[in-house]
Amino acid sequence: AQKITQTQPGMFVQEKEAVTLDCTYDTSDPSYGLFWYKQPSSGEMIFLIYQGSYDQQNATEGRYSLNFQKARKSANLVISASQLGDSAMYFCAMREGRAAGNKLTFGGGTRVLVKP
Amino acid sequence: GAVVSQHPSWVICKSGTSVKIECRSLDFQATTMFWYRQFPKQSLMLMATSNEGSKATYEQGVEKDKFLINHASLTLSTLTVTSAHPEDSSFYICSARDWTDQIQETQYFGPGTRLLVL
Repeated sequence: AQKITQTQPGMFVQEKEAVTLDCTYDTSDPSYGLFWYKQPSSGEMIFLIYQGSYDQQNATEGRYSLNFQKARKSANLVISASQLGDSAMYFCAMREGRAAGNKLTFGGGTRVLVKP
Repeated sequence: GAVVSQHPSWVICKSGTSVKIECRSLDFQATTMFWYRQFPKQSLMLMATSNEGSKATYEQGVEKDKFLINHASLTLSTLTVTSAHPEDSSFYICSARDWTDQIQETQYFGPGTRLLVL
């Protein structure tokens, strides 16, 4: 079974609008972390936001916020006021606990294209 | 902060040669570094976990004799692709974890190395 699932292979968003990128995960470990990374065409992976499994509040970082619904095992990324520079691939990733070696498992990614 | 460099950014080599890729954490110490491989239009696949001063842990299906990893210091890990073949052509990207970050354990990524084997 896929541990991290991103069901949207690609999407368009109008500049200045908000966009939600879906991410669902599967783990039986009570301690885990969820990450979102942005990968522009240059290839670098840019860390955006983190949510811990025990965090009570949804994480926010500037225009990025994470809609964490633990019971549903979802961790959707919301980008507000989209900018042209937001066009990139976005990856959701999960780090499980020490038993799993604290490794990151990535989803398949969602390509976002911001239209002017 | 949390900058990771990778060198070279591009390499083209002949089949049968070996290629070394360096990954450095510039402003933090990393007891653990990771090496990933990414094919076009695909996600990142973890190849191995590199721990400073000990042997790397390879993921299932990754040949440890082909992909040699050395993590000799807290700021440097190297990946050597030995006897490279065209099927080894890919985007290789490393990440490093700041040893002082015991909570989030965020991985910070280098800019990646594009390898083309002719």
